[in-house]
Amino acid sequence: DAGITQSPRHKVTETGTPVTLRCHQTENHRYMYWYRQDPGHGLRLIHYSYGVKDTDKGEVSDGYSVSRSKTEDFLLTLESATSSQTSVYFCAISGMRPNEQFFGPGTRLTVL
Amino acid sequence: TQLLEQSPQFLSIQEGENLTVYCNSSSVFSSLQWYRQEPGEGPVLLVTVVTGGEVKKLKRLTFQFGDARKDSSLHITAAQPGDTGLYLCAGGNAGNMLTFGGGTRLMVKP
Repeated sequence: DAGITQSPRHKVTETGTPVTLRCHQTENHRYMYWYRQDPGHGLRLIHYSYGVKDTDKGEVSDGYSVSRSKTEDFLLTLESATSSQTSVYFCAISGMRPNEQFFGPGTRLTVL
Repeated sequence: TQLLEQSPQFLSIQEGENLTVYCNSSSVFSSLQWYRQEPGEGPVLLVTVVTGGEVKKLKRLTFQFGDARKDSSLHITAAQPGDTGLYLCAGGNAGNMLTFGGGTRLMVKP
C-alpha cells in the first residue's frame, strides 16, 4: 500500500464553520491531489500541488484553499463550509510512472 | 474539457458470467488507468495502459486500450462476488493530471 493517510476519516460540522482536512504521505512524492467524490459526478479535482508551496486549482476549486509547507503534508481548507461541500474527499499522490495516482482512504465530510 | 464516459453505469450479474465495461472519449489520452473502489475505501489502481492497442491481463481481468488511445475496455471472465465494486477509468494527460469517468458499479451475485 502507498503510504497515504487522511485525517479525520469522518467529520460532521455546521454551515459557516472552517474545516481543515489533512493528507500525509510517507513516499516523498512530488505531486499531491485533492478530489471530491459525489454520486453522479465521479471524482473531481479540487486542487493539486507539484511541490512545496507550489499549488494550482482544479476543476472545482471554488470555496476551497490548500497549503503545502512540507513535502509530506497537503492540507485542504474549507474557509466557511456549506452544505454543497458535503462529500467524500480523497487525497492522492503521484506514482513512479507518469499519470499513475494512488489514493488515500478518504474523509467523509457532512456539513449540516 | 476532456470527458470520459463509462458504460454501463450499473451492472448486476450472476457469479460465473462474463462482462465488459467500456470507457469512451473523443479525446486522445497519453495513458489510461483502471481503478476498483470498494465501499468506504479509496480507489485502488488495477492497471495502466499506455500504447494504442495494448492489452493487459490481470488474472480474470483483461484491459484493452483502443488503437487511437481514445477508448478502453475492461473484460471480466467468470465473475466472482469478490469482483463487486465500483470500477473507474481515468485518462492521463500532460502534467500528471487524470480525467475520471463516472464509474461502473458492478454487483456479482453468488
